[in-house]
Amino acid sequence: NAGVTQTPKFQVLKTGQSMTLQCAQDMNHEYMSWYRQDPGMGLRLIHYSVGAGITDQGEVPNGYNVSRSTTEDFPLRLLSAAPSQTSVYFCASSPGRTDTQYFGPGTRLTVL
Amino acid sequence: AQSVAQPEDQVNVAEGNPLTVKCTYSVSGNPYLFWYVQYPNRGLQFLLKYITGDNLVKGSYGFEAEFNKSQTSFHLKKPSALVSDSALYFCAVRGVGGSTLGRLYFGRGTQLTVWP
Repeated sequence: NAGVTQTPKFQVLKTGQSMTLQCAQDMNHEYMSWYRQDPGMGLRLIHYSVGAGITDQGEVPNGYNVSRSTTEDFPLRLLSAAPSQTSVYFCASSPGRTDTQYFGPGTRLTVL
Repeated sequence: AQSVAQPEDQVNVAEGNPLTVKCTYSVSGNPYLFWYVQYPNRGLQFLLKYITGDNLVKGSYGFEAEFNKSQTSFHLKKPSALVSDSALYFCAVRGVGGSTLGRLYFGRGTQLTVWP
């Protein structure tokens, strides 16, 4: 099993550009989530999904959209990138909402 | 509301010495606590968790954590540190109800450096 995979590993955007960060898991996990990691702040939840077709907001959802059309994929869309969105983004999954979450390798995003 | 605090940004220990990385938590109800480790340029790896039961939880790579309800603490420990343990360690608490159920709330992280 590949576990949780994320693409790309690195990305540089200009302010105002849009892009999609990809996340996929092959463990048939129902629960998936997106976090951002900023220095000195730990990880903060952006959006999460408890199953295909169901998504909800986390602590810091502004400027991001998600969808969950399949169990395997949970893409994160930046609608109009801002320098404040420069961060490392992690996707995680777990069998259910209360199970241990397993993380992908991350995407390092820089917005100029 | 639930939260965790990691009071030390950095912990330095000599190889072979015991190590402790501190974590305190705040949660309504029974706590579900986790430790994750992040090696440079890598994702987070699960180390161990406390759900219920024994206050001493054993995890991966020889790590263990001691749950103390009266002190609301969940400190990570290892009897003998290795240079390869050098990494960023995160404590997290899981939300227990309503819209917070299942969410992880992370501390700011503690950078552990083990010197030879």
